[in-house]
Amino acid sequence: TQLLEQSPQFLSIQEGENLTVYCNSSSVFSSLQWYRQEPGEGPVLLVTVVTGGEVKKLKRLTFQFGDARKDSSLHITAAQPGDTGLYLCAVVSGGYQKVTFGTGTKLQVIP
Amino acid sequence: NAGVTQTPKFQVLKTGQSMTLQCAQDMNHNSMYWYRQDPGMGLRLIYYSASEGTTDKGEVPNGYNVSRLNKREFSLRLESAAPSQTSVYFCASSEGFRLWGLGSGTRLTVV
Repeated sequence: TQLLEQSPQFLSIQEGENLTVYCNSSSVFSSLQWYRQEPGEGPVLLVTVVTGGEVKKLKRLTFQFGDARKDSSLHITAAQPGDTGLYLCAVVSGGYQKVTFGTGTKLQVIP
Repeated sequence: NAGVTQTPKFQVLKTGQSMTLQCAQDMNHNSMYWYRQDPGMGLRLIYYSASEGTTDKGEVPNGYNVSRLNKREFSLRLESAAPSQTSVYFCASSEGFRLWGLGSGTRLTVV
């Protein structure tokens, strides 16, 4: 059983469309991070959310942490080909503050 | 301040060979991690170390050993490489819930 389930697993959309990807768990977390990874590169941190209900915006990307701090969403407005990549969520959990990554959402934006 | 440094960046091994992946961080973080990432997938935790002198198994530890040499360094060893260990390996470090560093990855191919 995955600690963090991301959905959808794959998403292919046309340039200009909007999309939302989700990161869900049955556990409560103190904070959650979103990363984007391009082919052949390492994941790059986009944002960290720490407060239940928190909303953060990064240009066309909107991140929300669920009120109960068990889930998060990433919404992209007017997607562009440069948004193509693997989107990963990650959380710190457990007594040893272990960092766990989600299963990933592979996004393709077609020009 | 280099963050998290991994070496080597690329490696090709023959089945049965051994090698050690090196990781060092200069952020004075207590926790360090080794992950593997298979194509199109999220990162899976191999081993982690909550502090100097301690190591714990993650999700996929079989076939690997680790050493937390000191606070800065955390190495991953493959004693007898297998084709199933072909992957991209990432080292990471963290402190608390917000401070986080991720290496650039080691692309390993076992033939």
